[in-house]
Amino acid sequence: GAGVSQSPSNKVTEKGKDVELRCDPISGHTALYWYRQRLGQGLEFLIYFQGNSAPDKSGLPSDRFSAERTGESVSTLTIQRTQQEDSAVYLCASSLSQLAGYEQYFGPGTRLTVT
Amino acid sequence: AQTVTQSQPEMSVQEAETVTLSCTYDTSESDYYLFWYKQPPSRQMILVIRQEAYKQQNATENRFSVNFQKAAKSFSLKISDSQLGDAAMYFCAYRSLNSGGSNYKLTFGKGTLLTVNP
Repeated sequence: GAGVSQSPSNKVTEKGKDVELRCDPISGHTALYWYRQRLGQGLEFLIYFQGNSAPDKSGLPSDRFSAERTGESVSTLTIQRTQQEDSAVYLCASSLSQLAGYEQYFGPGTRLTVT
Repeated sequence: AQTVTQSQPEMSVQEAETVTLSCTYDTSESDYYLFWYKQPPSRQMILVIRQEAYKQQNATENRFSVNFQKAAKSFSLKISDSQLGDAAMYFCAYRSLNSGGSNYKLTFGKGTLLTVNP
């Protein structure tokens, strides 16, 4: 079946502009995660959604970052007033459940470049 | 907070040879999972192997195996009979099983870039 998809694949934006990144999880997956991968670094957790529960936003680096998810479908990550330090690959993952035995399946990511 | 350290930024191996990637982690918890993920140039993270901390037996998946040393907090990945398709960035990751914490997030190391020479 289809995996996790993300769009756009690449995004170049000017400093100060807002951007919106999209994630389509695997159908039926209740848990959804956003991670950020800066150049030469591992992935950093940003935010987690589980069904209709309140999301865990503890990883968001500043109030310029926000994310939404409607039910168990698409999620969008929005970065307002982008800064050069926001340049990174943003990866989305989904899993059948938040329980540890369930694998997180990753999308191909969106590479964001802020000029 | 848990941390994951991969001390080898880059490694190389000859095709058909064996290579071992190192990972150490720091935690005060007793129940957790450890993972190795592969990230090829396509950027998509692929799960290679998983180890439950309560299991003493080391996990194996075909040519991939781990050496899990819980007391030493060490979790190395051995790739046998290396193939050109194994060339990628490899990440070690930790996931807590602590029911009171954020046990759904993965904590990653910085990765090891593996080159396979023909």
